[in-house]
Amino acid sequence: DAKTTQPPSMDCAEGRAANLPCNHSTISGNEYVYWYRQIHSQGPQYIIHGLKNNETNEMASLIITEDRKSSTLILPHATLRDTAVYYCIVRVPLRGSGSRLTFGEGTQLTVNP
Amino acid sequence: GAVVSQHPSWVICKSGTSVKIECRSLDFQATTMFWYRQFPKQSLMLMATSNEGSKATYEQGVEKDKFLINHASLTLSTLTVTSAHPEDSSFYICSAYTSGGTNNEQFFGPGTRLTVL
Repeated sequence: DAKTTQPPSMDCAEGRAANLPCNHSTISGNEYVYWYRQIHSQGPQYIIHGLKNNETNEMASLIITEDRKSSTLILPHATLRDTAVYYCIVRVPLRGSGSRLTFGEGTQLTVNP
Repeated sequence: GAVVSQHPSWVICKSGTSVKIECRSLDFQATTMFWYRQFPKQSLMLMATSNEGSKATYEQGVEKDKFLINHASLTLSTLTVTSAHPEDSSFYICSAYTSGGTNNEQFFGPGTRLTVL
């Protein structure tokens, strides 16, 4: 499994962009980068995923470096409800039956008013 | 996204009793379900992977005789914690996988908080 490294915590002011970094220097060519978040005492919530190209959806943007060794999740206008632990995960493919998602320690993002 | 439910959302039991937790995919068929455990202030740890109609595959260090997993249908998996003890108190989360749709195939349940007295 490709290991990911994230800062343990980050703070962000409400209304500002939150940029969450992730290092995955041992990622292999067919592995995707996934981002999930977990609000306290809830199940993880999918945010976004990508392989090579930058991706954007209604929740966030994902920027993947050209060498794919790191990525950044961007929440363009953070709100208090975005306070959560954010997990960067590299997908480990299982043939025909889905992927094991191995969660690291994640980044605790605190959005301050 | 698709919806995964868990029941109960929380349970308190006495030491030595068994507790069953249900995980249901409400609007899709899940060929594979995963069970995770999360202790306070820690990350999610994968316990086992179950495919419909076959035996679950347990992660190293997880006792299969203590954590019984049944995946009898494409929409239901159950985790039974047998002879529960206080150290089994944790947040148990399931996720369900479907082969249809985009690469975002895994959907997580809301979790079940187990407290063993």
